[in-house]
Amino acid sequence: SQQGEEDPQALSIQEGENATMNCSYKTSINNLQWYRQNSGRGLVHLILIRSNEREKHSGRLRVTLDTSKKSSSLLITASRAADTASYFCATEDIQGGSEKLVFGKGTKLTVNP
Amino acid sequence: GAVVSQHPSRVICKSGTSVKIECRSLDFQATTMFWYRQFPKKSLMLMATSNEGSKATYEQGVEKDKFLINHASLTLSTLTVTSAHPEDSSFYICSAFYDREISEQYFGPGTRLTVT
Repeated sequence: SQQGEEDPQALSIQEGENATMNCSYKTSINNLQWYRQNSGRGLVHLILIRSNEREKHSGRLRVTLDTSKKSSSLLITASRAADTASYFCATEDIQGGSEKLVFGKGTKLTVNP
Repeated sequence: GAVVSQHPSRVICKSGTSVKIECRSLDFQATTMFWYRQFPKKSLMLMATSNEGSKATYEQGVEKDKFLINHASLTLSTLTVTSAHPEDSSFYICSAFYDREISEQYFGPGTRLTVT
């Protein structure tokens, strides 16, 4: 079942602006991951945040995790046209020792030059 | 970095025929690979977990006789869509665990299947 739900579904901003995408989930997780997908291409892993972490940075990316609210956010600072892509969050559930990822529907980000 | 390849990248086939998609880990061994399907404007849906040397584990609702998975070596998993129908047209993506300790997995570039 799909449990990661990204918000908004689509986001259009100007170059240089910050982009914030949110993800909510329902079950207990080991970790939450963000992926990027360019149109028609495979996924690229961006960042992983573990359930005991609250914030993580990678370059222009900042991810937060609030396990009490079962939500995460991905912030892209100083966006560029090349950041245009769909962004997915994925959760790795604790239940059953499974390492499967459950993906949300994604946020389509458009960065206008 | 670790690379996962898929072949072919695009395939068009006629209804009733079978299509095989390959997923390879190019510079690492992957005992576990995953196959996903993505419908237009939808999220990825896990189809099955492919385990080297054993039978694949299919997700609920995925027909194992229609989507045959073979993981014969540590670097290759194949997905065969048998007796394809237009509704099987989709984007198929595989992934492989690169580092299980940190749950890092790499995704292939995907295969666009169109069944006419």
